[in-house]
Amino acid sequence: AQTVTQSQPEMSVQEAETVTLSCTYDTSENNYYLFWYKQPPSRQMILVIRQEAYKQQNATENRFSVNFQKAAKSFSLKISDSQLGDTAMYFCAPGFDRGSTLGRLYFGRGTQLTVWP
Amino acid sequence: NAGVTQTPKFRILKIGQSMTLQCTQDMNHNYMYWYRQDPGMGLKLIYYSVGAGITDKGEVPNGYNVSRSTTEDFPLRLELAAPSQTSVYFCASSTPGVVLGPGYTFGSGTRLTVV
Repeated sequence: AQTVTQSQPEMSVQEAETVTLSCTYDTSENNYYLFWYKQPPSRQMILVIRQEAYKQQNATENRFSVNFQKAAKSFSLKISDSQLGDTAMYFCAPGFDRGSTLGRLYFGRGTQLTVWP
Repeated sequence: NAGVTQTPKFRILKIGQSMTLQCTQDMNHNYMYWYRQDPGMGLKLIYYSVGAGITDKGEVPNGYNVSRSTTEDFPLRLELAAPSQTSVYFCASSTPGVVLGPGYTFGSGTRLTVV
């Protein structure tokens, strides 16, 4: 089974500051994808950013970037210039596209991020 | 731009009652999933389907059943509801081929309370 660990249940950051959410996972697969999803109070699951494991370059999406360390099985999310609308639960989710785990995402327990003025 | 549609959004059930959570998608996705989200926990996979007529169990299938008669629809059936099934339920779909390229498309969730 694939395990995902988000070691920070809660974090807070002041508006305009930078915050990093951590995620580690365990897998024996070599090719896979990694996702960060955001869940605001509306409950909707929103894709924030994705990373292919075979790519060495870290993904960037506007204010969101990742630090992917494949050997360490670490996939952290950095949010720059935090905004009030970033307040949400954030889930790390590796996914696999082969074998018995085909098409499945495995979710961590989440990190509740609060951005305050 | 419907995407994945779940109904109902909220429901209260009494212990022992049954119900069906509906999920439909209009993106011609072959892969569909049902997850449950308990407070303070991530999403746990209940059942999934890789195409019409094909379903398989996930991590927490007990107390649930699914069917997939069409590509579009993937209903989740709760038989004999129990308080342990109080949760938020998400349906999701993804594209075949480059299965996980764009990730999942999620429905808006169903909050179910069993009393």
